[in-house]
Amino acid sequence: KQEVTQIPAALSVPEGENLVLNCSFTDSAIYNLQWFRQDPGKGLTSLLLIQSSQREQTSGRLNASLDKSSGRSTLYIAASQPGDSATYLCATLGPVGLIFGTGTRLQVFP
Amino acid sequence: DAGVIQSPRHEVTEMGQEVTLRCKPISGHNSLFWYRQTMMRGLELLIYFNNNVPIDDSGMPEDRFSAKMPNASFSTLKIQPSEPRDSAVYFCASTQTTPGDSNQPQHFGDGTRLSIL
Repeated sequence: KQEVTQIPAALSVPEGENLVLNCSFTDSAIYNLQWFRQDPGKGLTSLLLIQSSQREQTSGRLNASLDKSSGRSTLYIAASQPGDSATYLCATLGPVGLIFGTGTRLQVFP
Repeated sequence: DAGVIQSPRHEVTEMGQEVTLRCKPISGHNSLFWYRQTMMRGLELLIYFNNNVPIDDSGMPEDRFSAKMPNASFSTLKIQPSEPRDSAVYFCASTQTTPGDSNQPQHFGDGTRLSIL
């Protein structure tokens, strides 16, 4: 059974810092890995999707990497801004659908 | 693009009552998912429809839960009778699923916050 873990559970950083969020999973038989952002009281917004054959994806200040052999993915956020404050979730897509991690709650203060 | 639309946004009801949550997926999407989010268990997949047909309902917690998708533009999740432990945020998501293509992200609604007293 797939288990997805995210570290750290919470992170508070000053504006401008570069930061890395970590995601690990136990079963490498995945179709893709996705990173989502969740704002309070809102649904999830898809940020990046890395297919199982890919190593990384980039969108603006965000870069996500995937290492299936070690069961790890990282989300790199460059030059963080207060507007980046949210909960970030990773999820693996497999035969039984999306399996989510418990998330990293990020706060970026001015 | 109106996005995935869920109603109601909030529901407060007493234990034992029937609860119906509604979802309108994005037009053109052929897959629909119901999730439940709690502090203790995070986000869990309850049921998955493809072309209006339930494909995997192994996440549905009990017989008290049922889901239907009568057409491509509407789905319901029903709880009868409801219990306090059903209190959670329920999300609906949709995507376009094509065999061999795993490059389509799921689009989520804003959820229904359910409180059972």
